[in-house]
Amino acid sequence: IAGITQAPTSQILAAGRRMTLRCTQDMRHNAMYWYRQDLGLGLRLIHYSNTAGTTGKGEVPDGYSVSRANTDDFPLTLASAVPSQTSVYFCASSDSSGGSNEQFFGPGTRLTVL
Amino acid sequence: GQSLEQPSEVTAVEGAIVQINCTYQTSGFYGLSWYQQHDGGAPTFLSYNGLDGLEETGRFSSFLSRSDSYGYLLLQELQMKDSASYFCAVRANQAGTALIFGKGTTLSVSS
Repeated sequence: IAGITQAPTSQILAAGRRMTLRCTQDMRHNAMYWYRQDLGLGLRLIHYSNTAGTTGKGEVPDGYSVSRANTDDFPLTLASAVPSQTSVYFCASSDSSGGSNEQFFGPGTRLTVL
Repeated sequence: GQSLEQPSEVTAVEGAIVQINCTYQTSGFYGLSWYQQHDGGAPTFLSYNGLDGLEETGRFSSFLSRSDSYGYLLLQELQMKDSASYFCAVRANQAGTALIFGKGTTLSVSS
């Protein structure tokens, strides 16, 4: 692995189902993020984690949960999917310890909730 | 809270110079970043301004005026491959580096 990976690449999901989007990075970055991107709305922050063991809510956290059990993984869970959660989901990571503001993004997961 | 305003679309021709403006409202300010995203792809980092002034990286430059809550991204010697969406972003809070993004500016470069 080189960088940040997401799985699945795309998914069609029935409303009401539970879904976990996976995100893994091998850069040993302390901080990780989840964003959703919808046409005309740009990227919106869902949840973030500044370091393993801690998480925080972003702009649009409702309906989503995250965990950060270790440095490398930051899964995003939709407990009961709804059609409004149809979106492209991007995971990102950064090394904030040195003051860098550069975030590295994964390739995204395209989720459709029917 | 935070909000950012940038134009939705900009068009230009190859070889030209284009400026994408960004104004922001934040409860606390910890720097302005710019990201590029080609259609359907992952956003990639372009630049960061923590202090007033101009930052130059090759054909791209970024400017910040904290007193005016304003910044811009300047793209010179435009190429077809510069056709993409460009997002300005500010940090969500002091505690970390999570970002709040503008809605993006779609740049179309024609020959």
